[in-house]
Amino acid sequence: KQEVTQIPAALSVPEGENLVLNCSFTDSAIYNLQWFRQDPGKGLTSLLLIQSSQREQTSGRLNASLDKSSGRSTLYIAASQPGDSATYLCAVREGGGGADGLTFGKGTHLIIQP
Amino acid sequence: ETGVTQTPRHLVMGMTNKKSLKCEQHLGHNAMYWYKQSAKKPLELMFVYNFKEQTENNSVPSRFSPECPNSSHLFLHLHTLQPEDSALYLCASSQETGLSEKLFFGSGTQLSVL
Repeated sequence: KQEVTQIPAALSVPEGENLVLNCSFTDSAIYNLQWFRQDPGKGLTSLLLIQSSQREQTSGRLNASLDKSSGRSTLYIAASQPGDSATYLCAVREGGGGADGLTFGKGTHLIIQP
Repeated sequence: ETGVTQTPRHLVMGMTNKKSLKCEQHLGHNAMYWYKQSAKKPLELMFVYNFKEQTENNSVPSRFSPECPNSSHLFLHLHTLQPEDSALYLCASSQETGLSEKLFFGSGTQLSVL
């Protein structure tokens, strides 16, 4: 059974720092991997989606990488801002997982100090 | 605003009550999902509907009863719930159910069972 682990569980850094969030998954037979952002009491917003054949995706200050063979992904946030404070979730989609094979990690709770 | 609206935002109910959660999407999508997010646990898929037909029931107890009258609306009927059912219930939609489809989430209903 696929398991997704996110490290660290929580992170607090001063504004302006570059930071890396980590995601690992146990079964490398994935179709794609997504990073989501969740604000307190809110739903999820998709940030980046990386197909299994891709190595990375970029959107603004965000860069996500994927090393499928080692079962790892990282989300790099450049020049962090207080508005980046949120919980970041990683989810993998497995090819044989039926209608919706998304498996989520527990998330990294990020606080950017002004 | 993601185009997926959930009501109510908050719900408190006793174990003997019957209530319903509502989800409406304005994106012209054909697939809709219910997820459960409990404290300190990963998101769990509950149900998937594609073109109004239920395509996945992830071993959810019968005290949760979904209804999808059309592709734009999804309900989750609740009855005789347990305190451990307290969680954030998230609705999502996608164009169809497929491996490359991106999911769009609503803001969720925060449910407390007393």
